[in-house]
Amino acid sequence: QKEVEQNSGPLSVPEGAIASLNCTYSDRGSQSFFWYRQYSGKSPELIMFIYSNGDKEDGRFTAQLNKASQYVSLLIRDSQPSDSATYLCAGLHGGYNKLIFGAGTRLAVHP
Amino acid sequence: DAGITQSPRHKVTETGTPVTLRCHQTENHRYMYWYRQDPGHGLRLIHYSYGVKDTDKGEVSDGYSVSRSKTEDFLLTLESATSSQTSVYFCAISSGTGDSPLHFGNGTRLTVT
Repeated sequence: QKEVEQNSGPLSVPEGAIASLNCTYSDRGSQSFFWYRQYSGKSPELIMFIYSNGDKEDGRFTAQLNKASQYVSLLIRDSQPSDSATYLCAGLHGGYNKLIFGAGTRLAVHP
Repeated sequence: DAGITQSPRHKVTETGTPVTLRCHQTENHRYMYWYRQDPGHGLRLIHYSYGVKDTDKGEVSDGYSVSRSKTEDFLLTLESATSSQTSVYFCAISSGTGDSPLHFGNGTRLTVT
């Protein structure tokens, strides 16, 4: 079992809707989680990180962490076609800031 | 990008040949990483470095070696390339302070024929 699991998608949402991306993890020792966005043929870019239970908001993005249930989610409000990309969830694993990544969820926002 | 340069950007090589990929950073970050990305697997850690000459294995290190003789450079070597090592390779860096995030280079697309 992969330590960080994501539904590969594609998740298809209409423009203006809320996109909800989910991630579960198996390592209870993981304390911090990161969401990256990756456009096709490009490198991953950091969207936001979260390390406390609850919600963290940054513009149209909200990250949610529930350590008891071992899941992390990313909500994208007012989705735009430019949000169409693969979203990677990652958890800190062990020392030296090593990240373990999920396989990513592909999001398609259609006009 | 956060001052990270990977070279080459693309490479085609034959099975059995050695290959070295280079990652150069200008951020003076302490930690550096090599990941590979394959369809259905996401990003998997190959090797990482936590200082000059300090390196360790990641989850998919077989067939790879690394070296870090200077803070700014982290080299990944495929001793004898195999077709299973055809992939996109990403270098990443982290300042190492607290739970600081990783920032990625533009990647190297390697094809082993």
